[in-house]
Amino acid sequence: QQPVQSPQAVILREGEDAVINCSSSKALYSVHWYRQKHGEAPVFLMILLKGGEQKGHEKISASFNEKKQQSSLYLTASQLSYSGTYFCGTGRNDYKLSFGAGTTVTVRA
Amino acid sequence: DGGITQSPKYLFRKEGQNVTLSCEQNLNHDAMYWYRQDPGQGLRLIYYSQIVNDFQKGDIAEGYSVSREKKESFPLTVTSAQKNPTAFYLCASSVEQARGNQPQHFGDGTRLSIL
Repeated sequence: QQPVQSPQAVILREGEDAVINCSSSKALYSVHWYRQKHGEAPVFLMILLKGGEQKGHEKISASFNEKKQQSSLYLTASQLSYSGTYFCGTGRNDYKLSFGAGTTVTVRA
Repeated sequence: DGGITQSPKYLFRKEGQNVTLSCEQNLNHDAMYWYRQDPGQGLRLIYYSQIVNDFQKGDIAEGYSVSREKKESFPLTVTSAQKNPTAFYLCASSVEQARGNQPQHFGDGTRLSIL
């Protein structure tokens, strides 16, 4: 089952903050976050692992609530380069990732 | 530089034709994946392989086939049985699969269209 992302889209001005949420109905072992620019490959941002370990990006942070099976990605002091579609991927005990439908972020000057 | 190379970038298929999408990686990764992306949707897993000579069906394997004869290569064939093949296809790899605790690295994709 695909995780559910919200919101579907968000428009920001440079310097503003945003939060993207990802929730699953299944128990999770990990949550991945990727950003994709139009027509390009998704780029890895970070992984949050069950038990609290986090690997990834310096300027973008995220949280993982294992009990609620939810993750949130925090875009702080957004830059123009943050524009793109953000996908969460949830890792299950069957070794596969399921990706959400994506959240489109537009940052304007 | 290490990475994943997908070819061709654009591909057109005629009715009843099989086409093969190439994916090569020089990252020395054991696990490789094929995803399909439709407009406004997330990535859906077609096939994945954890090791050479072994592969597993993903969530939407019908109408597709793969092989993994070499560690570096994981080609995807879109068969004539796939009635709606128009999509953006992404290949990815990771060090290992291990319950999804390793990042996946993606190629630049192949855009497949029907003639």
